Amino acid sequence: EPEVTQTPSHQVTQMGQEVILRCVPISNHLYFYWYRQILGQKVEFLVSFYNNEISEKSEIFDDQFSVERPDGSNFTLKIRSTKLEDSAMYFCASSVQQRGTGGSGELFFGEGSRLTVL
Amino acid sequence: QKEVEQDPGPLSVPEGAIVSLNCTYSNSAFQYFMWYRQYSRKGPELLMYTYSSGNKEDGRFTAQVDKSSKYISLFIRDSQPSDSATYLCAMSWSSNTGKLIFGQGTTLQVKP
Repeated sequence: EPEVTQTPSHQVTQMGQEVILRCVPISNHLYFYWYRQILGQKVEFLVSFYNNEISEKSEIFDDQFSVERPDGSNFTLKIRSTKLEDSAMYFCASSVQQRGTGGSGELFFGEGSRLTVL
Repeated sequence: QKEVEQDPGPLSVPEGAIVSLNCTYSNSAFQYFMWYRQYSRKGPELLMYTYSSGNKEDGRFTAQVDKSSKYISLFIRDSQPSDSATYLCAMSWSSNTGKLIFGQGTTLQVKP
C-alpha cells in the first residue's frame, strides 16, 4: 500500500540551528501539507503546497519556515533558526486533490518526524 | 472559546462495548467533518468523512454530525482491543482547502 514516508524519524538540534525535514509523498498525489503536533497539544496546520507554490499557510508558518519540492519525489520543510518552541512532531501529508472536490480529498499522513530543540 | 473541543480522556472500556466519542465546535462555517485514528508513534489515519449534517456508517463505525448543535460523534460498536488508539476529530470549512482544524484527541483503551 502506498504511504507517505518521512525522514528523519527523530532529530535533535541546538537552538538557532537550521533543520530540514524530508518527506516523500504518495507518487500520484498533487497536494502536499505539513502539520505539527506539540507534545500534549492539537495537530496544527502549517502549510499546503500545490503546483510548486504555497497555496495556504497558517500564522505559525512565519519567515523561519520554508517548503520546497526540490525534485519530483521529495517535499521538504526547512526551519532556518530553530527555537525551543519548535520542538514538536512534524507530520507530512499528501492528497490526490483538495478535500470535497468531488473525489477523495483524503489526507494521507506520514509517521512524523520528531524534532527536539535543545 | 476554543474552535474545536474534544475530551482527551483517557476512556477505558471492556471489549465488546459501544464507544461514543464526541467533539463540539464553535465555527458554524465548518462543512466537512472527519474522524482520524492515531496509533502510538504513527500518523493520523482517516476513519470517517462526512459532509454537512447526517449519519454515515462504515462497518462497526458510525459518524454523526449535528450542525444545529455544532456537535459531532463517532460510535464504535463491538469494540476490539485493536481499536485502542487516539481518535481525533477534524473539520474544515471549504472544499478548496487542505487546512484541517483538529480536536485534542481522545485516547481510547479497549480491554480484553
